[in-house]
Amino acid sequence: GIQVEQSPPDLILQEGANSTLRCNFSDSVNNLQWFHQNPWGQLINLFYIPSGTKQNGRLSATTVATERYSLLYISSSQTTDSGVYFCAVEPGTYKYIFGTGTRLKVLA
Amino acid sequence: DGGITQSPKYLFRKEGQNVTLSCEQNLNHDAMYWYRQDPGQGLRLIYYSQIVNDFQKGDIAEGYSVSREKKESFPLTVTSAQKNPTAFYLCASSIAASDKAFFGQGTRLTVV
Repeated sequence: GIQVEQSPPDLILQEGANSTLRCNFSDSVNNLQWFHQNPWGQLINLFYIPSGTKQNGRLSATTVATERYSLLYISSSQTTDSGVYFCAVEPGTYKYIFGTGTRLKVLA
Repeated sequence: DGGITQSPKYLFRKEGQNVTLSCEQNLNHDAMYWYRQDPGQGLRLIYYSQIVNDFQKGDIAEGYSVSREKKESFPLTVTSAQKNPTAFYLCASSIAASDKAFFGQGTRLTVV
């Protein structure tokens, strides 16, 4: 089956810093989403981005489907950005496969 | 408010007992999903349903069962056959299979 790998696995930032999270997938996909899991376990949908670039405030995402990767950019990070970031891909099987996650900690 | 409601938030059961986790959505979504998350790990798909009265096994369906008798409800039963049931269980829904997915707040199941 399709493999979804995220990097880096762990990231520590000072408040105000920028970061880039990467999601690589081993086969073509129909859809891709980015999620943020907060410390209470809630998964928040950040982007639905099978291709192209989208922006939402301090966050933006780019998916290059032909090269099988997606990037999530976080600018001017805040302590509330801490948590785990997951990408999830749908390879045409009507179900999402989740990546391994990037654990982000933003220090005040 | 529209959304996905999972209950209970925390659940404790004795080993050997079956337990049912509730997932209800009022978003009028056709597709619903159950995922399992172990500490420090990603999400693994247990079961999914593209439409009412139909469901398919995910990657780790052994020891679990589901039903989809109503569009808004997709309960998950963790049976005594599940070897390691202690985990965080997340339910999700989407307008249609493979569309943007929304998650409930999860149920933390502890089996002692």
